[in-house]
Amino acid sequence: ELKVEQNPLFLSMQEGKNYTIYCNYSTTSDRLYWYRQDPGKSLESLFVLLSNGAVKQEGRLMASLDTKARLSTLHITAAVHDLSATYFCAVDTPNDYKLSFGAGTTVTVRA
Amino acid sequence: GAVVSQHPSWVICKSGTSVKIECRSLDFQATTMFWYRQFPKQSLMLMATSNEGSKATYEQGVEKDKFLINHASLTLSTLTVTSAHPEDSSFYICSARVGPRPPSFGAGTRLSVL
Repeated sequence: ELKVEQNPLFLSMQEGKNYTIYCNYSTTSDRLYWYRQDPGKSLESLFVLLSNGAVKQEGRLMASLDTKARLSTLHITAAVHDLSATYFCAVDTPNDYKLSFGAGTTVTVRA
Repeated sequence: GAVVSQHPSWVICKSGTSVKIECRSLDFQATTMFWYRQFPKQSLMLMATSNEGSKATYEQGVEKDKFLINHASLTLSTLTVTSAHPEDSSFYICSARVGPRPPSFGAGTRLSVL
């Protein structure tokens, strides 16, 4: 069974500072996704990482994937209030295209 | 592209009644659709996987007779919560994908059973 561990589960950020969310997974997979969820809403796709060493950036968010270490990171640069949300990583189970989700990281950005 | 429409977005029903939720892929034909359930402040829990024209595959612990899934075409899957009870109240999310391509998610359905 593919297990996905995300940490921290809660992250209180100060505006303007940098933070990282970590996503570890237990078995081989080369497809990892990051999503954002606002309260009462569904998932918004942030990044799709499809190969070892993949790095993608969008605004203040940057995601990377190390398939050998089975680790992905979501880095937040100079946090702003608009980034308050819950962030999920998810990993494709090999061969059946099911997604296994991490527990989510609830981010609160304070002034 | 890759838009998934989910309806209704919110439904309230009386205990003992059945509720149907629709999930449509609008601009692509989905080989596989997935149904998730999410409790407040928790992650998404996969309930079942459905492929067009075949029976859904349910995850362990999910009652097949309670959560009926029909996948009649490559663009439509439905989830029917039968004889709903308050403990079935939750946020239900569908997703659809074509093979290994990244999945697209519906907007979710909030079910409240009184």
